[in-house]
Amino acid sequence: DAKTTQPPSMDCAEGRAANLPCNHSTISGNEYVYWYRQIHSQGPQYIIHGLKNNETNEMASLIITEDRKSSTLILPHATLRDTAVYYCIVRVASWAGGFKTIFGAGTRLFVKA
Amino acid sequence: SQTIHQWPATLVQPVGSPLSLECTVEGTSNPNLYWYRQAAGRGLQLLFYSVGIGQISSEVPQNLSASRPQDRQFILSSKKLLLSDSGFYLCAWSGLSGTGGTYEQYFGPGTRLTVT
Repeated sequence: DAKTTQPPSMDCAEGRAANLPCNHSTISGNEYVYWYRQIHSQGPQYIIHGLKNNETNEMASLIITEDRKSSTLILPHATLRDTAVYYCIVRVASWAGGFKTIFGAGTRLFVKA
Repeated sequence: SQTIHQWPATLVQPVGSPLSLECTVEGTSNPNLYWYRQAAGRGLQLLFYSVGIGQISSEVPQNLSASRPQDRQFILSSKKLLLSDSGFYLCAWSGLSGTGGTYEQYFGPGTRLTVT
């Protein structure tokens, strides 16, 4: 699976959009970008994933650059409850591709009132 | 809908004692199952994963073992705990998603283990 690079921490004001970047310059054509988050003392929570098109769900939006070498997770209106560690993961999403998801250090997002 | 259970939620065990943590999944069949450990202030370390009953892959050699006696049951064990086994143990499952055939993971609430 391709390696990802994320900033160690970021701040965001409550009510503003939080934009979390992720670099994955060695991504392969069949690898998806996944985002998870982990709120303190809880298990990680799946947020969103995408291959090459931008994706949106009730939690967030995922913007993937045209060359797929980087992506941005957008929380449109951050709340204090969005304070968490956010993990960007790149992996093949197929039965033959393996089942391991390796979590890196992630980005610690602090949402401030 | 699918749910994943882990117990106990917290556990304090002396060094050298045995360990058994259980994870069960409801609402799905043939899930892939995973055990992760997170030391205090650290990232997630994949310990074991399983693609079927009796099929276990180990990622890190250590004094832990895993078993999958039933399709939706995953057990983490140790015969003798070490101080370094302290941490937050997380079970997760993944399966064929209904939206695109991808394998996103869903995590349980975790077990916080303190070895004294």
